[in-house]
Amino acid sequence: AQSVAQPEDQVNVAEGNPLTVKCTYSVSGNPYLFWYVQYPNRGLQFLLKYITGDNLVKGSYGFEAEFNKSQTSFHLKKPSALVSDSALYFCAVRDLGSGNTGKLIFGQGTTLQVKP
Amino acid sequence: DAGITQSPRHKVTETGTPVTLRCHQTENHRYMYWYRQDPGHGLRLIHYSYGVKDTDKGEVSDGYSVSRSKTEDFLLTLESATSSQTSVYFCAISDYRENTEAFFGQGTRLTVV
Repeated sequence: AQSVAQPEDQVNVAEGNPLTVKCTYSVSGNPYLFWYVQYPNRGLQFLLKYITGDNLVKGSYGFEAEFNKSQTSFHLKKPSALVSDSALYFCAVRDLGSGNTGKLIFGQGTTLQVKP
Repeated sequence: DAGITQSPRHKVTETGTPVTLRCHQTENHRYMYWYRQDPGHGLRLIHYSYGVKDTDKGEVSDGYSVSRSKTEDFLLTLESATSSQTSVYFCAISDYRENTEAFFGQGTRLTVV
């Protein structure tokens, strides 16, 4: 079965420090991977995706993610965290089990807290 | 922002009553989805649609039904609401291309008392 895991419920980082939010996946075949961010009382906003090509993917708001096939990971990173980055982050993989329906399988989410 | 509108944004209802949530899109995307968000579970797929009158079940479909009579509208109905259906419900859309991301609505917070 396909799945996504975010091993940390919460990540705390000081403003200006680099941040990493971890994600591992389990799929059969080539993965289509996504990161979304959710601010309080808002919907999910798309940050970035990996479909194919370069393992380092750049996205919105200075975020990037590194695809590592051998470790089945897709960690979200940012070189210098901002207080405004504090939010709930979701990793997701496209469910390819029933063809191209665009269904997503989500991790449980990681709360990022950036302190001044 | 993608043109997705969910209504209502908040609702409190009593156990046993029917509830319908509406998702409206202006992007003409083929696929529409209903997810629920619960702490510790992330988002889980309830139902999805791949065209007008074409729908299928997701991971947590028990107690829910959907309808899509027009490309732009996707309705989620709780036939008889239960307290376990208290959640935040998100509608999402995506087009037919494999490499595209989904876009999400603002969510509906439903409380069943």
